[in-house]
Amino acid sequence: RKEVEQDPGPFNVPEGATVAFNCTYSNSASQSFFWYRQDCRKEPKLLMSVYSSGNEDGRFTAQLNRASQYISLLIRDSKLSDSATYLCVVNNGGYQLIWGAGTKLIIKP
Amino acid sequence: EPEVTQTPSHQVTQMGQEVILRCVPISNHLYFYWYRQILGQKVEFLVSFYNNEISEKSEIFDDQFSVERPDGSNFTLKIRSTKLEDSAMYFCASRVGGDTEAFFGQGTRLTVV
Repeated sequence: RKEVEQDPGPFNVPEGATVAFNCTYSNSASQSFFWYRQDCRKEPKLLMSVYSSGNEDGRFTAQLNRASQYISLLIRDSKLSDSATYLCVVNNGGYQLIWGAGTKLIIKP
Repeated sequence: EPEVTQTPSHQVTQMGQEVILRCVPISNHLYFYWYRQILGQKVEFLVSFYNNEISEKSEIFDDQFSVERPDGSNFTLKIRSTKLEDSAMYFCASRVGGDTEAFFGQGTRLTVV
């Protein structure tokens, strides 16, 4: 089993719709979790950290489920500019950040 | 806002040549990373560096690769004898430590011909 798994997609979603991604992780001792966004041929950029209590930033909501070992990202009222690859990142408390392969999102007008 | 900077943005080199990719991490960060991403593929971890030494490295990071932090600000990745398959985008990242997020540079696109 991969350490961090994501559905590669692509998710084709009409503008204005709500879309959700999950990311599962294998190490129950994982300590911190992040969602990054990567546009084509650009560097990954932090979208949001994921806190135990869940957190929201505008149209974006992140949740952590430690019992089932997954994190989720919900995007409401999706915009064309949300089209990107969304990367799940997990820190197991060591030096390395473990990256998922990413979920590609395409928002269609 | 502080940022990670990488130079050059694009480098073309002949197979067998040595290349050095440069990064200036954010100044108060303690953990430094190199990643690579082959076009259309996932971000792959190469190496992490902490307290002036390599803390972890992947299978990709073989004897052809080395890293240095020569002067307390620059963080370099050297590839001694480049191969065609080294062509990729190379990202440098840094973070403060603990549970904090990593910040990425804009990448160096390496093309080996």
